[in-house]
Amino acid sequence: AQSVTQPDIHITVSEGASLELRCNYSYGATPYLFWYVQSPGQGLQLLLKYFSGDTLVQGIKGFEAEFKRSQSSFNLRKPSVHWSDAAEYFCAVVTQGGSEKLVFGKGTKLTVNP
Amino acid sequence: EAQVTQNPRYLITVTGKKLTVTCSQNMNHEYMSWYRQDPGLGLRQIYYSMNVEVTDKGDVPEGYKVSRKEKRNFPLILESPSPNQTSLYFCASRGRQSPLHFGNGTRLTVT
Repeated sequence: AQSVTQPDIHITVSEGASLELRCNYSYGATPYLFWYVQSPGQGLQLLLKYFSGDTLVQGIKGFEAEFKRSQSSFNLRKPSVHWSDAAEYFCAVVTQGGSEKLVFGKGTKLTVNP
Repeated sequence: EAQVTQNPRYLITVTGKKLTVTCSQNMNHEYMSWYRQDPGLGLRQIYYSMNVEVTDKGDVPEGYKVSRKEKRNFPLILESPSPNQTSLYFCASRGRQSPLHFGNGTRLTVT
């Protein structure tokens, strides 16, 4: 069965520093991949998605992610973090065909220090 | 405005008292789904629906029911809630090959 692993439960960075959140997936075929962000008390907002084509995808709020098939990874990056980026981040994969279920990782909580 | 609307946002109830959490989307999406979110466990799918009158179990369906009589609505029913169903619930919908759109969540407490 497909699965998503986010190895880091909690990451702390300083404002202005670069950020990389890791995501690995387990799925036989090419998946559809997503990153969502959840601010405290809020629902989930889509940051970016990968369906096919260019493996480097740009999202909202200055985020980008790179799909690496050889590493089964879809890491999220931002060159300079802002205090407002403090939130929880979820990587997700949806299988093609059938139920097309979206499977989430367990999330990475980001703390931004001033 | 395209959105998924859940009601209520907060709900406190007692064990065994039937409740329904409503979910409605205005994007004419065929696919709708319910998730629960618990600390350390992430989001887990409860039920999903591929279209009207088509529903199926997700990963944690025990204790829940759903119905899909109309395309826009997908209510979540707890016939006899128990304390282990205390959680944050999200409804979501999507069109074909598009990302999920989430509602703002319903925080349920069962005492």
